Amino acid sequence: DAGVTQSPTHLIKTRGQQVTLRCSPKSGHDTVSWYQQALGQGPQFIFQYYEEEERQRGNFPDRFSGHQFPNYSSELNVNALLLGDSALYLCASSLGSRAANTEAFFGQGTRLTVV
Amino acid sequence: AQSVAQPEDQVNVAEGNPLTVKCTYSVSGNPYLFWYVQYPNRGLQFLLKYITGDNLVKGSYGFEAEFNKSQTSFHLKKPSALVSDSALYFCAVRGPMNTGFQKLVFGTGTRLLVSP
Repeated sequence: DAGVTQSPTHLIKTRGQQVTLRCSPKSGHDTVSWYQQALGQGPQFIFQYYEEEERQRGNFPDRFSGHQFPNYSSELNVNALLLGDSALYLCASSLGSRAANTEAFFGQGTRLTVV
Repeated sequence: AQSVAQPEDQVNVAEGNPLTVKCTYSVSGNPYLFWYVQYPNRGLQFLLKYITGDNLVKGSYGFEAEFNKSQTSFHLKKPSALVSDSALYFCAVRGPMNTGFQKLVFGTGTRLLVSP
């Protein structure tokens, strides 16, 4: 049973560019959340997708957007990249409101470096 | 709003000794509490959770955590540390699900260093 998979594992982009990160959830999971983990910090919630809709959003600008597909996989898009966007981006999958007390499973992350 | 505090940036312990990694939380209503571990250049691995029931929760790799409602704490413990336990540990809290879809709020992490 594959866990949460993210691609790519590493990425280098230039300021002002756009980036798309991808996530496939653990089998059986229908909810995907994205987190940003800056160096030396804990993960910060970006947003959560369920039934192909953004359900909750953290304190991130509109440059951060996402999408969930019918197969529950998800993309995170970041426009107009800033140096401060350099971080490890983590995808987490879980069951939606049907199983409120289940834990989230995380992928290995995508390390984004903006130069 | 939910919040988590991990007061120690680093915990040092000798192999074979007991370890404790501290966590306190703030949330409205009954909390859902989690511990995750992160190895270098890796994602987060789930260790254990408290939802309801017994205050002592047992998890993976011999770890356990004690929930204390009066002190709003959820400290991670292990009776005998291993060198391989050396990693970054995160405590997280999620609010009651009856308020809608919930995010995880993480602490800043505690680095555990187990010496041989």
